[in-house]
Amino acid sequence: GAVVSQHPSWVICKSGTSVKIECRSLDFQATTMFWYRQFPKQSLMLMATSNEGSKATYEQGVEKDKFLINHASLTLSTLTVTSAHPEDSSFYICSARDPFGTGSVGVHEQYFGPGTRLTVT
Amino acid sequence: GENVEQHPSTLSVQEGDSAVIKCTYSDSASNYFPWYKQELGKRPQLIIDIRSNVGEKKDQRIAVTLNKTAKHFSLHITETQPEDSAVYFCAASMAYTDKLIFGTGTRLQVFP
Repeated sequence: GAVVSQHPSWVICKSGTSVKIECRSLDFQATTMFWYRQFPKQSLMLMATSNEGSKATYEQGVEKDKFLINHASLTLSTLTVTSAHPEDSSFYICSARDPFGTGSVGVHEQYFGPGTRLTVT
Repeated sequence: GENVEQHPSTLSVQEGDSAVIKCTYSDSASNYFPWYKQELGKRPQLIIDIRSNVGEKKDQRIAVTLNKTAKHFSLHITETQPEDSAVYFCAASMAYTDKLIFGTGTRLQVFP
């Protein structure tokens, strides 16, 4: 199956600094990627949809100026957490949609990255 | 927007018993319903999915049923094994956005 990687797998940063997380589709071109945040013992919450060559679409309540998303190529999307605070500590997971995946028209399986654990001290 | 509710939040069964997890969704435009298994600190793994034009799908010990009228879908695991212990998430997706909205999760524990 399709493979999605994330880097780094974990990161510790100081409050007020910025952190960049990369999401890569390794063996397919992903026109759309998604970013999720998961707090301990909670569900995955969709943060934003990242579209190659255009601006990301953010879910209600997600600050676009704090969580900067760039999808500059068909295999790479980046999430930058700016001015990180301890409450931003979480597990960040990306997923990529395979436009040639199986399924009915307009419905494509998503492949998840391994996640990035961010700890802000 | 779409809202997905999932029950129960925790489920404990004896090895060999069946487990059933239920989800309801709110948006009738949703047409793709995957189920994921997530182990601690790992990525969600797709275990089975169903499209809205299908009422039931089975893959060995796992089955999913969908009732579009009631906006319900359920995961059935038969002959449970200790390695089935994990957190299970249902999700719903609309065709024209492909956004996945996840349920709240069910922690399944299978006791030997």
